[in-house]
Amino acid sequence: AQKITQTQPGMFVQEKEAVTLDCTYDTSDPSYGLFWYKQPSSGEMIFLIYQGSYDQQNATEGRYSLNFQKARKSANLVISASQLGDSAMYFCAMSNHNYGQNFVFGPGTRLSVLP
Amino acid sequence: DAGVIQSPRHEVTEMGQEVTLRCKPISGHDYLFWYRQTMMRGLELLIYFNNNVPIDDSGMPEDRFSAKMPNASFSTLKIQPSEPRDSAVYFCASRHRGMAGELFFGEGSRLTVL
Repeated sequence: AQKITQTQPGMFVQEKEAVTLDCTYDTSDPSYGLFWYKQPSSGEMIFLIYQGSYDQQNATEGRYSLNFQKARKSANLVISASQLGDSAMYFCAMSNHNYGQNFVFGPGTRLSVLP
Repeated sequence: DAGVIQSPRHEVTEMGQEVTLRCKPISGHDYLFWYRQTMMRGLELLIYFNNNVPIDDSGMPEDRFSAKMPNASFSTLKIQPSEPRDSAVYFCASRHRGMAGELFFGEGSRLTVL
């Protein structure tokens, strides 16, 4: 079975500092994708970044980077230079390529950026 | 593209009533997902379709819930009869096949069952 774990229910970070949000996953499929989504208080789901299981390099998208450690089955999101607008829920998600391409989410981490 | 379109955005109903939520996926996407989000249970995958065929409905809570996708551009999630514990935000999302295909979400339907 596929499972995503996010062990930090809530995190605080000072504005302009970097923050790491943890994500570990479990799957027996060798071919999978890892995703991070942001959900601000307005409720919409915003795609941030993607990492494929066969990608050799860590994904980056602007201030977002994904610290992918395949052997540890972890896919932590790093946000550099935090901004007040980064305050939101952050979800880690996984899609398995060979098991029907389902798409499961972790429980989320609520990030609060302090001025 | 218009994105994933869900209706209604808000629904308030009384216990025992039938509720139908609707979704129009992005054109060309061959996967469609229904999720339920609550504070207690987070984002739960209810069911997903590939090319209009249900692939996994193991997340559907009970027989009161049913979902259909009669064609590539329309899906419904029905709750009959509704109960207060069904109150949640229901998201529809779609994607193109392939590992790197991100999931595109609708704005959600907020259901309140009194």
